[in-house]
Amino acid sequence: EVQLVESGGGFVHPGRSLRLSCAASGFTFDDSAMHWVRQAPGKGLEWVSGISWNSGSIGYADSVKGRFTISRDNAKNSLYLQMNSLRAEDTAFYYCAKDMQFILTGAFDRWGQGTLVTVSS
Amino acid sequence: QSALTQSASVSGSPGQSITIFCTGTSSDIGSSNLVSWFQQHPGKAPKLIIYEGNKRPSGLSNRFSGSTSDNTASLTISGLQAEDEADYYCCSYARSGAFVIFGGGTKLTVL
Repeated sequence: EVQLVESGGGFVHPGRSLRLSCAASGFTFDDSAMHWVRQAPGKGLEWVSGISWNSGSIGYADSVKGRFTISRDNAKNSLYLQMNSLRAEDTAFYYCAKDMQFILTGAFDRWGQGTLVTVSS
Repeated sequence: QSALTQSASVSGSPGQSITIFCTGTSSDIGSSNLVSWFQQHPGKAPKLIIYEGNKRPSGLSNRFSGSTSDNTASLTISGLQAEDEADYYCCSYARSGAFVIFGGGTKLTVL
């Protein structure tokens, strides 16, 4: 069974950093591109970042470019999101999502349950 | 990169069909067949229901169908059922800027 389990969310003050992790199991991790998608409470989905199977292709939403860094460790079946200079508008549930392809396509066929990041003073 | 455009809400009665439209540009929807649709029930993670414009994941009901034309994608749900009441999001690969963009979401109400 495919499982994606996010961790690392929590409460943080503006300007601080947080690192999210996603532990993957039940599929061949390095066969798939991976993504982070967020959803502010009561709002819609927003793609945050994606990384191809071999980390050769990486993309970011304009809203996080220069502040967030995505990475993966295929040996550990894990995806990460380093979030720096956090702002109140980054408050959201952050989902780890698996792409159906090894490149970035947006066809997210498996999702984690999400981890909540709250940025507030 | 602007979000794809979806109507905020749509409604239908059980047994009826509804269509949700998603409008983009030649840089996203119009640039490839890489359009996906997701269903999200309250408090749950989204679920993929259409990928590559018109393909259904294995095991998904054929009441769900998708299509694309120029810069617009559409999702049709036929034979509406109470459990179809949810939020629906379109998503497209984008050729420039961010790789992936979502629509704002459409809330489906089954009357």
